[in-house]
Amino acid sequence: AQTVTQSQPEMSVQEAETVTLSCTYDTSENNYYLFWYKQPPSRQMILVIRQEAYKQQNATENRFSVNFQKAAKSFSLKISDSQLGDTAMYFCAFMKGNRDDKIIFGKGTRLHILP
Amino acid sequence: DGGITQSPKYLFRKEGQNVTLSCEQNLNHDAMYWYRQDPGQGLRLIYYSQIVNDFQKGDIAEGYSVSREKKESFPLTVTSAQKNPTAFYLCASKGGRFTGELFFGEGSRLTVL
Repeated sequence: AQTVTQSQPEMSVQEAETVTLSCTYDTSENNYYLFWYKQPPSRQMILVIRQEAYKQQNATENRFSVNFQKAAKSFSLKISDSQLGDTAMYFCAFMKGNRDDKIIFGKGTRLHILP
Repeated sequence: DGGITQSPKYLFRKEGQNVTLSCEQNLNHDAMYWYRQDPGQGLRLIYYSQIVNDFQKGDIAEGYSVSREKKESFPLTVTSAQKNPTAFYLCASKGGRFTGELFFGEGSRLTVL
């Protein structure tokens, strides 16, 4: 069975700093998808960034980027120039690349951006 | 506007009563999901459905039931067999098989008294 582990329950950084959130996963699959989702205080979940395992290039979305290390089964999220609006819970998620649509999540990291 | 609608937002029930949470989507998505969120536990998958009239158990299906009679609807029933039903419940849907992006509702907060 696949598992997703986020080892940092809570983090705080100053506004404009760069922060990295960690995620590791366990799978025997070769093809899969990884995601970072954000849940702000409003509790409305939104997708931040997505990575396909077969792509070697790390995904980037504006200030958000990932460091995908397939051999190490690591998928960290880097937020550059952090903003107050980045304050949220961040969840790492995994989906197999076959016909199964099951998506599992880690326990989340609560990120506080301090003014 | 297209999206996921969950209702009710807040629900109070007495212990031993079954309760059904509604989830409707107008995104024409095939896959739909129910997750439970508890502090410190992240999102745990209860049930998911890849197509109408078919659904699979997630990691914590005991005490829950679902149906998928229409593409747009995926209601979740929390039965009296669920030992600790007080939680925040999130419904989501997913479009194309290989996009992976989930679209979430605003959630339903169930409190069992």
